Amino acid sequence: DIVMTQSPDSLAVSLGEGATINCKSSQSVLDSSNNKNFLAWYQQKPGQPPKLLIYWASTRVSGVPDRFSGSGSGTDFTLTISSLQAEDVAVYYCQQYYGTPYTFGQGTKLEIK
Amino acid sequence: QVQLVESGGGLVKPGGSLRLACAASGFTFSDWYMSWIRQAPGKGLEWVAYISTSTTSDRTAYYADSVKGRFTISRDNAKNSLYLQMNSLRVEDTAVYYCARGHMWIQPWGQGALVTVSS
Repeated sequence: DIVMTQSPDSLAVSLGEGATINCKSSQSVLDSSNNKNFLAWYQQKPGQPPKLLIYWASTRVSGVPDRFSGSGSGTDFTLTISSLQAEDVAVYYCQQYYGTPYTFGQGTKLEIK
Repeated sequence: QVQLVESGGGLVKPGGSLRLACAASGFTFSDWYMSWIRQAPGKGLEWVAYISTSTTSDRTAYYADSVKGRFTISRDNAKNSLYLQMNSLRVEDTAVYYCARGHMWIQPWGQGALVTVSS
């Protein structure tokens, strides 16, 4: 199984400041045939189901604010929130869909400092 | 708008069975792979199963090792419905079970159905 490891486990950031969440996979999730990274990011607010933010490592879902961006390739990925808003308080998960079983990171809890 | 509504959750004893259902609306259900993903209380996310779009003769299903042989995913495209038959339930199967559209990246997710396995 591909193990997804996120860092940090929790993060406290001031409103308006940037936040960075890292995700590392135990093996590459890059398909060299199409140069696509099989990596998605989700946001889960308290009491709600997860919501897809980004897929193919860097493609933002329509309607997701552009302060959210994804980057990285191979085994190392980053979710960046450029200017934290109060509504961004949530747990963030990365997920690989390169190979079954599709696996999630353990989650990163983002709070306001 | 796209909507997924789960039903059938509840309390069951270890070794018991439960069938979850998911009613889909707002999109062409038959065109999409569908998945069940679960989240134990206060824990992370685990993919349980997904099923392809194909007709009965060549439908593909995937199961996590933790549920293989005990759970069965199925769909009724005529009813726009997804199902998860859960047998031989264990305490460690206690979780919120989400119905979700897709099988690579997932969007959207239903609100979830709580399954509690306890004696």
